[in-house]
Amino acid sequence: GQNIDQPTEMTATEGAIVQINCTYQTSGFNGLFWYQQHAGEAPTFLSYNVLDGLEEKGRFSSFLSRSKGYSYLLLKELQMKDSASYLCAVRDDYGQNFVFGPGTRLSVLP
Amino acid sequence: DVKVTQSSRYLVKRTGEKVFLECVQDMDHENMFWYRQDPGLGLRLIYFSYDVKMKEKGDIPEGYSVSREKKERFSLILESASTNQTSMYLCASYSPRQGTSTDTQYFGPGTRLTVL
Repeated sequence: GQNIDQPTEMTATEGAIVQINCTYQTSGFNGLFWYQQHAGEAPTFLSYNVLDGLEEKGRFSSFLSRSKGYSYLLLKELQMKDSASYLCAVRDDYGQNFVFGPGTRLSVLP
Repeated sequence: DVKVTQSSRYLVKRTGEKVFLECVQDMDHENMFWYRQDPGLGLRLIYFSYDVKMKEKGDIPEGYSVSREKKERFSLILESASTNQTSMYLCASYSPRQGTSTDTQYFGPGTRLTVL
């Protein structure tokens, strides 16, 4: 079966650091993606991991451990505009399809 | 710049009506997807297509059908709309042949459908 889990909601303060976790149990794996989705808008691509370790892109970093079926998205120096939902998705073995987690709604407070 | 467009941002229909949602992409992508998104449930796959005239059922195909007559266009059809189909519908496209590790899906802006 396919199962991807994320916390439903998180709250953090402007300027702080927040870590959003994602655990997955899927029948195949060919990469893990993070997307950002502002309310009423389409998801947009943030980051991608296929090998174990940390990928850094400016204020955003994403980590993957394939043996543990675990990833996290790290957001530094939080800004109000980072208030959004963050979606974790796993691409299947054949590279054709994606399975999404439920998403984590992040609220950044002043 | 990559572009996925959907025919409507907002749509209101009555129970029993036939509803067409259209999606067009301009990136020559092979794969196209229809999802619905509901609070607390995330994105759930309805159907996807990996080639013209090809379709595969996703996790929740009941009550829906799709059509892909041209590579750039993927239509979602609700044969007889019901109130439990009120949702946000998102279309996405993707090319598995790009050969780069960061191949990602590109999403349309979404259609918020209300069935009364």
